[in-house]
Amino acid sequence: GAVVSQHPSWVICKSGTSVKIECRSLDFQATTMFWYRQFPKQSLMLMATSNEGSKATYEQGVEKDKFLINHASLTLSTLTVTSAHPEDSSFYICSASFSGRGADTQYFGPGTRLTVL
Amino acid sequence: QKEVEQDPGPLSVPEGAIVSLNCTYSNSAFQYFMWYRQYSRKGPELLMYTYSSGNKEDGRFTAQVDKSSKYISLFIRDSQPSDSATYLCAMIGNTPLVFGKGTRLSVIA
Repeated sequence: GAVVSQHPSWVICKSGTSVKIECRSLDFQATTMFWYRQFPKQSLMLMATSNEGSKATYEQGVEKDKFLINHASLTLSTLTVTSAHPEDSSFYICSASFSGRGADTQYFGPGTRLTVL
Repeated sequence: QKEVEQDPGPLSVPEGAIVSLNCTYSNSAFQYFMWYRQYSRKGPELLMYTYSSGNKEDGRFTAQVDKSSKYISLFIRDSQPSDSATYLCAMIGNTPLVFGKGTRLSVIA
């Protein structure tokens, strides 16, 4: 099956610092990558959608200047949480999809747990 | 009304039981329906993917879609302790993938 990796799997940082999370599709080229945030006992909330080589599309309420997304290649997307604050602490999950699988079936990474002190 | 409604549980069943998980939805534009399994502190794993109304079977798992009632189900036969996880329904149509809140399932040995 399609494998998606994320790095790091967990990170603890001080308030005000920036954190970069990488998402890679390991055995396929992803036409689209998605970034989600999941708070405890809540469902996944889509933050943004990115296509390789173009600007990300952010969901309503998500600050694009705070959550910077770079989709530099068909196998790599990065999410940078700039000037992180404790309220940004969450489980960040990326997913990747590729064409030819019907309705953009998404394959998820293992997630990155961010804790901002 | 939320686009996708899913009972969060928790649901606790004995090993070997048949489990029924359900979601209802309001957006008639949804065309594709998925079930994901998420273990604690892990990303979701795609279990089943269906398009049309009817049943789709894969091993111990059966996904059922009733578009007329806007209702989807996932059945797990002969449930095992390793099935203990959160199960999320998800659907897509003219919007990005929309998830239910997830149902937490515990299968007790």
